[in-house]
Amino acid sequence: KNQVEQSPQSLIILEGKNCTLQCNYTVSPFSNLRWYKQDTGRGPVSLTIMTFSENTKSNGRYTATLDADTKQSSLHITASQLSDSASYICVVSSALNSGSARQLTFGSGTQLTVLP
Amino acid sequence: EAQVTQNPRYLITVTGKKLTVTCSQNMNHEYMSWYRQDPGLGLRQIYYSMNVEVTDKGDVPEGYKVSRKEKRNFPLILESPSPNQTSLYFCASGSKPYEKLFFGSGTQLSVL
Repeated sequence: KNQVEQSPQSLIILEGKNCTLQCNYTVSPFSNLRWYKQDTGRGPVSLTIMTFSENTKSNGRYTATLDADTKQSSLHITASQLSDSASYICVVSSALNSGSARQLTFGSGTQLTVLP
Repeated sequence: EAQVTQNPRYLITVTGKKLTVTCSQNMNHEYMSWYRQDPGLGLRQIYYSMNVEVTDKGDVPEGYKVSRKEKRNFPLILESPSPNQTSLYFCASGSKPYEKLFFGSGTQLSVL
């Protein structure tokens, strides 16, 4: 069964500090991995996508990494801001069947709180 | 502006009273789906649609119905809501299911 596990479940940091969120997956065959940011009470918004051949990708202060061998991804946030307080969700897509929609596996998310 | 619109934003109802949550997208996406989000469980897929008149069950379809008569609309129907369907619901659309998904703002449903 495909699974995506995220850690930590919650994290509290001070404004200006860096942090790293983890995502481990057992989805096979792997297609891509996305990180979404979900503000409280809002729908998730895509931050970045990682494909099999990519190791690192940045989007402003967000940097995602992917190790396809160990099936791990991380999201590093640099110089955190109060607006970074949100849930960060890892979503892995399998390449089982290009016509199948049942190939997205969602993690439970990491709740990040940035304090002033 | 590209968006997915859900209505209503908040809904309180009583057990057994049929309700519909609407979802509309203006991006001409083929793929649309519904999720529920409960504390500690993350997003779970209820139903999805690959195109007009093509729908299929997700992981937690019991107690829900959907229809896709037009490309832009994908309503979620609860024929006889029960308290265990109290949850935060999200509609999403994408050009393909494995491409970037665009989510609506959510519908907080409470069934008393």
